[in-house]
Amino acid sequence: SYVLSQPPSVSVAPGQTAYVSCAGDNLQTRSVHWYRQRAGQAPVLVVYENSRRPSGIPERISGAKSGNTATLTISRVEAGDEADYHCQVWDATPDHRVFGGGTKLTVL
Amino acid sequence: QVLLQESGPRLVKPSQTLSLTCNVSGVSLNLVPFHWNWIRQLPGKGLEWIGYIHYDGRTHYNPSFESRVDMSIDTSKNHFSLRLGSATAADTATYFCARDNYRGNFPYFDFWGPGALVTVSS
Repeated sequence: SYVLSQPPSVSVAPGQTAYVSCAGDNLQTRSVHWYRQRAGQAPVLVVYENSRRPSGIPERISGAKSGNTATLTISRVEAGDEADYHCQVWDATPDHRVFGGGTKLTVL
Repeated sequence: QVLLQESGPRLVKPSQTLSLTCNVSGVSLNLVPFHWNWIRQLPGKGLEWIGYIHYDGRTHYNPSFESRVDMSIDTSKNHFSLRLGSATAADTATYFCARDNYRGNFPYFDFWGPGALVTVSS
């Protein structure tokens, strides 16, 4: 089965930029989606199809992909950005949805 | 506004069947291009996709659950359900229902329920 790898944790000071990575084989051929999950809440879609933002998600949250690694970038980090971030792809054969292990973003 | 809400017993005895229903409002389950999914999260762990059901009743499950999972849908009541048999303590988790959108051919989850913590214990 397909595997996505994320670092368990990332720490950043307020106002700085946070980078959350997501790696997988042949990721360049897949579309990556990202979710933010604050403590005790359901996940919320923040980036879909590698770099597109749903309405209501600020421009300082962005996604990109290069080779086999996708990166979620959060600029001007705020306390409210502290959360777990999960990447997800579609594994076409056999039509499965696959999540990375999640990255806990801590705002120092 | 699309809203999903899980309901069902929060405490299940070992070997019994865990059952949850997701009530959907603001959108009809009959619409395409959407699937209706169940996802769970073990305490302190990542997200695990269980499977989906289409409005016409077609299902697709994660092989990890295939032998003991069953999903159903009732479009007249606009809800869909999960049954997970032979529950053990390892099934203690928060269960989310979520809609996946495959308009762009790469499905992503655009709406989620708040989640239901289900504990398997005697």
